[in-house]
Amino acid sequence: EAQVTQNPRYLITVTGKKLTVTCSQNMNHEYMSWYRQDPGLGLRQIYYSMNVEVTDKGDVPEGYKVSRKEKRNFPLILESPSPNQTSLYFCASSLEQTGSNEKLFFGSGTQLSVL
Amino acid sequence: SQKIEQNSEALNIQEGKTATLTCNYTNYSPAYLQWYRQDPGRGPVFLLLIRENEKEKRKERLKVTFDTTLKQSLFHITASQPADSATYLCALGNSNYQLIWGAGTKLIIKP
Repeated sequence: EAQVTQNPRYLITVTGKKLTVTCSQNMNHEYMSWYRQDPGLGLRQIYYSMNVEVTDKGDVPEGYKVSRKEKRNFPLILESPSPNQTSLYFCASSLEQTGSNEKLFFGSGTQLSVL
Repeated sequence: SQKIEQNSEALNIQEGKTATLTCNYTNYSPAYLQWYRQDPGRGPVFLLLIRENEKEKRKERLKVTFDTTLKQSLFHITASQPADSATYLCALGNSNYQLIWGAGTKLIIKP
């Protein structure tokens, strides 16, 4: 089954404790992206990647890191989480760049709480 | 600044009627517009894409219109069913690979 898999689904952590949220897609997609979703706001892009070893900042990259060492994986790293990073996070992928009008496939989300 | 507005209040519709959701934008010139459905605790799921040179797109019971003069897209669900209850997101894309999202409108279809 074609899908984007995120782990974990729920994560509670404390300020300053490094964490990684994993994302993997099995559709051989070129483009992958991370979003955060907060109540009353639209999805905001954190980072995106158009191909292996190519990553770029989105609208809200501060406090986050990503890597794209393999085509299928795009982990999101919070080196020193803070309470304002408490949010619902989504990984997404598409066959090509979104500028090519490609639809996005989303993972099921990771609800992160930073205490 | 660029702004996308979707009705933040939930839309309550009687089963069988047509549901119409609105997506308005300002200070933006999208090349295309997408609509997604999001169920509680799940990621958004793509529904329809419409380009700037298209007026209307249909898929089964769904219809999307795109009026670049009014800077508005309308999303219609005909013969609505309780299973259509969800939050619907619009997203506008430009030629620079930027995608801007609305906050979504919650649709409730009452039996």
